[in-house]
Amino acid sequence: QVTLRESGPALVKPTQTLTLTCTFSGFSLSTTKMCVSWIRQPPGKALEWLARIDWDDDKYYTPSLRTRLTISKDTSKNQVVLTMTNMDPVDTATYYCARMVVPAAIDYWGQGTLVTVSS
Amino acid sequence: QSVLTQPPSVSAAPGQKVTISCSGSSSNIGNSYVSWYQQLPGTAPKLLIYDNNKRPSGIPDRFSGSKSGTSATLGITGLLTGDEADYYCGTWDSSLRAGVFGGGTKLTVL
Repeated sequence: QVTLRESGPALVKPTQTLTLTCTFSGFSLSTTKMCVSWIRQPPGKALEWLARIDWDDDKYYTPSLRTRLTISKDTSKNQVVLTMTNMDPVDTATYYCARMVVPAAIDYWGQGTLVTVSS
Repeated sequence: QSVLTQPPSVSAAPGQKVTISCSGSSSNIGNSYVSWYQQLPGTAPKLLIYDNNKRPSGIPDRFSGSKSGTSATLGITGLLTGDEADYYCGTWDSSLRAGVFGGGTKLTVL
């Protein structure tokens, strides 16, 4: 059974760095073609794809946020970490981590974690 | 502004059929598989369609997907009130080297 769970602070201040952890089970990120992505959704708005890390440690970022995002993995702990620097109130959103098996779709999603950026 | 374009809303009566379009370009839909997701209020998205037209186990055949050129379509037949949700298309953009989603379509079952 594949599960993913996001964890991190619910509230961050403007200019701070956000660190989110995705802890997963039911698959290994060392398996060929396995990937984990981060997606966010501001309240009442659409999904926005943020980043992806692959089994071979290839990393991809959405161009508009590339300079602020870093994705990494700890295969032994079954965790993927996303950091986002210089947080702003417009970054307030529910952040999801999700599994993808290349080249297919995102097939399993975490429940999401709401991050509010406010002073 | 989303890379993929969807209509903001669609509506139909229970039992009827509805289609939701997703328009992109040669760098995304034109050369990648399209997937569709259903998001019920207050929940995480759920995969409905992958590889343009395949359904994961447990998804009823009332849901179908198709792709032609740089556009894709989600079809839902025999509408139920429980189908009221937001629907998103998604794919990979080879120029951006990033995933992309549509802006979402709110389905209302009248």
